Amino acid sequence: GAVVSQHPSWVICKSGTSVKIECRSLDFQATTMFWYRQFPKQSLMLMATSNEGSKATYEQGVEKDKFLINHASLTLSTLTVTSAHPEDSSFYICSARVQSPLFYGYTFGSGTRLTVV
Amino acid sequence: AQTVTQSQPEMSVQEAETVTLSCTYDTSENNYYLFWYKQPPSRQMILVIRQEAYKQQNATENRFSVNFQKAAKSFSLKISDSQLGDTAMYFCAFMKVAQGGSEKLVFGKGTKLTVNP
Repeated sequence: GAVVSQHPSWVICKSGTSVKIECRSLDFQATTMFWYRQFPKQSLMLMATSNEGSKATYEQGVEKDKFLINHASLTLSTLTVTSAHPEDSSFYICSARVQSPLFYGYTFGSGTRLTVV
Repeated sequence: AQTVTQSQPEMSVQEAETVTLSCTYDTSENNYYLFWYKQPPSRQMILVIRQEAYKQQNATENRFSVNFQKAAKSFSLKISDSQLGDTAMYFCAFMKVAQGGSEKLVFGKGTKLTVNP
């Protein structure tokens, strides 16, 4: 249980275009989702936290207008990289908090490798 | 600000042997969660083990166990009977409740573990 499905797994786009990444919670309701960025051989860097039905909270230094996050339902959160440039190339991972009487933790999507050419 | 330190960038162990990964953290909070996550070459983040700070008993999950020393702010992971499939990056993470009631996971930089046949 507690699966987060992330799509696409990888995407190549041209510089200046926009790319949308989706994360769906398959068997639970995700009231809060987190978006991370991971550079090669580095740790996860939190970009923003999204709560269903409200505006996302961005970490310091993350451009809100470049990384648009929408969390319109309890099972879907999206990250749109707008006007992508080569420096936006990275591995993006979503995560959702799972809370039940027996478990409290975080489950992660499988990640999206974005390459901007 | 809370920080998580993993002082071992890389470690290796022979198959079937035991290895311990170190993690220390800094916080003024009294109630929090600690996690160990595994990221194999597929880059899927997998929860290995979780510890609630208010529990004195160390968490155990099959071959994985932790040594949680709250006063010393130490949270090491012991892997017994190491298997080739344990080869991965291991991230220690601390969960704090940020200002405004929001929450976030703070990750260490990771330890790359290689299990040799």
